[in-house]
Amino acid sequence: QQPVQSPQAVILREGEDAVINCSSSKALYSVHWYRQKHGEAPVFLMILLKGGEQKGHDKISASFNEKKQQSSLYLTASQLSYSGTYFCGTAISNFGNEKLTFGTGTRLTIIP
Amino acid sequence: NAGVTQTPKFRVLKTGQSMTLLCAQDMNHEYMYWYRQDPGMGLRLIHYSVGEGTTAKGEVPDGYNVSRLKKQNFLLGLESAAPSQTSVYFCASRNTLTFTDTQYFGPGTRLTVL
Repeated sequence: QQPVQSPQAVILREGEDAVINCSSSKALYSVHWYRQKHGEAPVFLMILLKGGEQKGHDKISASFNEKKQQSSLYLTASQLSYSGTYFCGTAISNFGNEKLTFGTGTRLTIIP
Repeated sequence: NAGVTQTPKFRVLKTGQSMTLLCAQDMNHEYMYWYRQDPGMGLRLIHYSVGEGTTAKGEVPDGYNVSRLKKQNFLLGLESAAPSQTSVYFCASRNTLTFTDTQYFGPGTRLTVL
């Protein structure tokens, strides 16, 4: 069952902040975040593991609420280069977690 | 390193024709995946492999077959193409040796079935 992402789409002005959410009905071991620009392949952003700390680099960070089986991606002071579709991928275990289940994506558009 | 490469980049087929998509990786990864991406559907797993000589079904395997004869290559076959298989196909490989557990994606193959 696919995780649910919200919002489906968001438009922001450069410099504004954004939050993208990913929710699962199953207990999760890890959540992976990817960004895909139009016509390109998805690119890995970060992974959050059960029991791990909040991750982040530059102005993009993420959290993982294990009790609610939710993850949130935070984009601070957004830049034009942040535009794209963001996907979360979830894994339910470490042992045998050979595959991720991806959400349907959140399209982020940053305008000047 | 080339990373993950896919051949061809574009292809147009007629209904009933067959074809094979090739995925190659030079990172010595054990795990390889085939996904299809359709508008509004995200990435859906077709088949995957956890090592040379092994394959397994994903979420949407019907109409596709795969083979992993060599560790670096993962082939996706369409025996009798249907318009419902019009999609963008992505291959990915995964490094199981690092803590970050990243999947690396190829550039994609855009397939149209008429």
